[in-house]
Amino acid sequence: AQSVTQLDSQVPVFEEAPVELRCNYSSSVSVYLFWYVQYPNQGLQLLLKYLSGSTLVKGINGFEAEFNKSQTSFHLRKPSVHISDTAEYFCAVSDGGTYKYIFGTGTRLKVLA
Amino acid sequence: DGGITQSPKYLFRKEGQNVTLSCEQNLNHDAMYWYRQDPGQGLRLIYYSQIVNDFQKGDIAEGYSVSREKKESFPLTVTSAQKNPTAFYLCASSPGTSATEQFFGPGTRLTVL
Repeated sequence: AQSVTQLDSQVPVFEEAPVELRCNYSSSVSVYLFWYVQYPNQGLQLLLKYLSGSTLVKGINGFEAEFNKSQTSFHLRKPSVHISDTAEYFCAVSDGGTYKYIFGTGTRLKVLA
Repeated sequence: DGGITQSPKYLFRKEGQNVTLSCEQNLNHDAMYWYRQDPGQGLRLIYYSQIVNDFQKGDIAEGYSVSREKKESFPLTVTSAQKNPTAFYLCASSPGTSATEQFFGPGTRLTVL
């Protein structure tokens, strides 16, 4: 069965510093990958997605992620974070041919002034 | 505006009572989902439906029930058999293939008194 691992439960970073949130998934023949952001007491909002094609994916709010098939990773990056980026970030994967999505346990990003 | 609505936003229940959470979408999506979110555990799938009048159990279906009588509606009932129902519940929908993202509602926070 497909699984997703987010290695860091919390990541503190100073404002204007770069950040990387890590995500690894178990191997599958075909896979679609997503990053979502969740602000307190709200639903999830899509940041970016990888379906096929270029392995570097750009999303909203200056975030990007790189799909690495050999390392089964899909790490999220931002070169310079803002206070407003403080939120919880979820990596998710869907198996090709199914309707189910598997979510990681989330990484809480806290941006410090 | 197209989207997913969940009601109510906050819900309080006495032990032993059943309660129904509402989820409506006007995105014309075929698939709908219910997730439970607890701190540090990410999103866990309760039930999902790929088409009207059909639904499947997710990973934690015990103590929950659903119906899908209309394409736009997917209500979740939390029964008295659910031993620890206090949580944040998220409804989502997708067009019905795995190569697309899910769209999430704002969530309902259920508290058992």
